[in-house]
Amino acid sequence: QSALTQPRSVSGSPGQSVTISCTGTSRDIGNYNYVSWYQQHPGKPPKVVIHDVTKRPSGVPDRFSGSKSGNTAFLTISGLEADDEADYYCCSYAGRDVHVVFGGGTRLAVL
Amino acid sequence: QVQLQESGPGLVKPSETLSLICSVSGFSIRDGFFWGWVRQAPGKGLEWIGSINHSGDAYYSSSLKSRVTLSVDTPNNQISLRVKSVTATDTATYYCGRGAVATIDYWGQGILVNVSS
Repeated sequence: QSALTQPRSVSGSPGQSVTISCTGTSRDIGNYNYVSWYQQHPGKPPKVVIHDVTKRPSGVPDRFSGSKSGNTAFLTISGLEADDEADYYCCSYAGRDVHVVFGGGTRLAVL
Repeated sequence: QVQLQESGPGLVKPSETLSLICSVSGFSIRDGFFWGWVRQAPGKGLEWIGSINHSGDAYYSSSLKSRVTLSVDTPNNQISLRVKSVTATDTATYYCGRGAVATIDYWGQGILVNVSS
């Protein structure tokens, strides 16, 4: 069981928007602004698409955005494209004892 | 361009020690950041193992802490991972990466390690 809870799957049609949630606790997401999101295509290493809750690395389209409310973080992908179909993982800092926790991952299907 | 490459044996026997090296190019470990390891069991999600900086300050997953050691070799620009007393549950693709707090911005391609007799 992962420390952060994500839906197992979400889906959307090309051009639509989807939002993936990542629920933690007051010991991780709720207490720190260190949430990152990773996109992983089959057989490839993960790629960071959002860090520090809302920041987008250079080269990541502005269709990807991040936010947080309380103990839950969100990744929103707008204008869905076929290549967005992948697994998405959230990650949070969780303090000096636990350090880093990942979510269980969400499979995004672009129908 | 920062590049990371994992290397090591692809097969380890149960109860033995898994040892991997991550070779970094395009960036000097001495110049900062944390350097960490994440693993992914077949068909499963990502699991953080630990991180270390150029000074050797290391932080470990609480669930693996008793079996994991990270070290840094700054002259050769490498970091290493050792996991002792492995079992089949340690079978996974192991990734090394460069990062900051709960962020990894550069990843290696990963190396699959099977634990089997």
